[in-house]
Amino acid sequence: QKEVEQDPGPLSVPEGAIVSLNCTYSNSAFQYFMWYRQYSRKGPELLMYTYSSGNKEDGRFTAQVDKSSKYISLFIRDSQPSDSATYLCAMSAYGNQFYFGTGTSLTVIP
Amino acid sequence: GAVVSQHPSWVICKSGTSVKIECRSLDFQATTMFWYRQFPKQSLMLMATSNEGSKATYEQGVEKDKFLINHASLTLSTLTVTSAHPEDSSFYICSALAVPSYEQYFGPGTRLTVT
Repeated sequence: QKEVEQDPGPLSVPEGAIVSLNCTYSNSAFQYFMWYRQYSRKGPELLMYTYSSGNKEDGRFTAQVDKSSKYISLFIRDSQPSDSATYLCAMSAYGNQFYFGTGTSLTVIP
Repeated sequence: GAVVSQHPSWVICKSGTSVKIECRSLDFQATTMFWYRQFPKQSLMLMATSNEGSKATYEQGVEKDKFLINHASLTLSTLTVTSAHPEDSSFYICSALAVPSYEQYFGPGTRLTVT
């Protein structure tokens, strides 16, 4: 079983839709959770960072961590064509080793 | 967020030559940096963990004599691809770890093409 599972998509939504991206994991020791956005031929950009459980909101983005279910989510409200990218989840137990999802490809159609 | 730079962003070299890629954390100090390789439409593949002042830790299957990593200061790590071959052509990305939050910030990547 992989440490981190992420549906690769592709996911295609109309502009203005709410997007839900998810990852599941198996290691209950994970306590650092991140979401990255990666445009084609660019390095990943840190979007959201959460320590332990709970929700975090930043503009149109909301990250949720449910440690009891070993499940994390990223919600994008009022999605824009510029949100079209690959979204990677990442997590770590002690900050020395990170595990990445395979990435979900998102296309927002104008 | 913190900024990590990489240089060069794109390099073409002939088979058999060596290429050095620089990774710099511009506005924070990073005792730990990571080097990744990414193939088209695939996720990141960790190559090695670079710690300032000590030898890098390489992932299984990564040739340490081929991919030389030097983390000489708290803001600079370098990856040298020695005796490059066409199969080394790839997108190489570095990241720097900010403490104590353990947020990992990525560079923009270096596209290496070996002819």
